[in-house]
Amino acid sequence: AQSVTQLDSQVPVFEEAPVELRCNYSSSVSVYLFWYVQYPNQGLQLLLKYLSGSTLVESINGFEAEFNKSQTSFHLRKPSVHISDTAEYFCAVSAPRQDTGFQKLVFGTGTRLLVSP
Amino acid sequence: DSGVTQTPKHLITATGQRVTLRCSPRSGDLSVYWYQQSLDQGLQFLIQYYNGEERAKGNILERFSAQQFPDLHSELNLSSLELGDSALYFCASSTRLEGGELFFGEGSRLTVL
Repeated sequence: AQSVTQLDSQVPVFEEAPVELRCNYSSSVSVYLFWYVQYPNQGLQLLLKYLSGSTLVESINGFEAEFNKSQTSFHLRKPSVHISDTAEYFCAVSAPRQDTGFQKLVFGTGTRLLVSP
Repeated sequence: DSGVTQTPKHLITATGQRVTLRCSPRSGDLSVYWYQQSLDQGLQFLIQYYNGEERAKGNILERFSAQQFPDLHSELNLSSLELGDSALYFCASSTRLEGGELFFGEGSRLTVL
């Protein structure tokens, strides 16, 4: 079974500062990795994902994450945050089920990013 | 707008009651997932349906059940409600079987008094 650990429940930063949100996963098989973002009173939206290929993936709004297989990590980074980045960020992992091929997405507990002026 | 519609958005009920949450997936998506989000448990996977059939089960209580209908909409039934069932219930849909993006609805907030 897969699991995800997000050690930081809350990360406060100042606007224009860099930020890193940590995510570690556990799995005995190859995995797909995702970061989802949840803005206040909204559902989750996909921010970026790693399926295969380049280990560095980027989102359209300046976030990037790097898949590190040896460290089983998929940390999310942004060099300069905006007030509008204030949200909850969820790391997630999935792996194909051996019997049916259907995936189950397992989420971490989330990290609340608080950006202040 | 993700294209996934959930109703009702808010629901307040009493312990012991039964409620039904409804989800309409994005047009063309065959997979529907239900998640429960609470402060103490985080985001928990409940159950997944694909084209009307149950495909994966997570931490879903026996008091809860779900189904996906021929028109692909899904319902989550919660019965014998307890205070601890108060949470945000999300529905998500996808089209691809593996590695596909999940599109989430805005959730149904259930409050049990």
